[in-house]
Amino acid sequence: GAGVSQSPSNKVTEKGKDVELRCDPISGHTALYWYRQSLGQGLEFLIYFQGNSAPDKSGLPSDRFSAERTGGSVSTLTIQRTQQEDSAVYLCASSFNGRALYEQFFGPGTRLTVL
Amino acid sequence: QKEVEQNSGPLSVPEGAIASLNCTYSDRVSQSFFWYRQYSGKSPELIMSIYSNGDKEDGRFTAQLNKASQYVSLLIRDSQPSDSATYLCAVNIAAVDMRFGAGTRLTVKP
Repeated sequence: GAGVSQSPSNKVTEKGKDVELRCDPISGHTALYWYRQSLGQGLEFLIYFQGNSAPDKSGLPSDRFSAERTGGSVSTLTIQRTQQEDSAVYLCASSFNGRALYEQFFGPGTRLTVL
Repeated sequence: QKEVEQNSGPLSVPEGAIASLNCTYSDRVSQSFFWYRQYSGKSPELIMSIYSNGDKEDGRFTAQLNKASQYVSLLIRDSQPSDSATYLCAVNIAAVDMRFGAGTRLTVKP
């Protein structure tokens, strides 16, 4: 079946502009995660959605970052007033979270470059 | 102490050898353990999950878990150049709490 999809694959923007990144999880997966990976670095957790519960926003680095998930499916990560340090690959993952398996499957990522 | 620690490498092995990747974690309540492979410029790909103490084999890959020692490892038998990648260890405490190691870069030389 189809995996996690993300769009756009690449985004170049100017400092101070807002950007929206989209994630479409695997059908039937109830949980959705956003991570950030800077060049040569590990994964940084940003936010987590589980079903209709309130999201866990504990990883968002600043109030310029926000995310929503509509209808328990597609999610949008918004970065306002982008800064050069926001340049990274933004990864989305989804999981079923049934039977306590918690296996996360990643999308291809969006490479964000802030000039 | 980092929550999930891995040797950053690079780890270099000759083709056909066994590659051994190690990971330690700090939280004793951790329940689920994963290995991801990440090729350069690509996203992480789940290759192994392990939930119980002992070994779990899948093809050329064997994951080993020792909860008492808070240690999980990945063995790759008959290593191939196509196995050259960064391997991420991930430890899951609860649904939201997945912690990733920084990764070990593996190079398999022909």
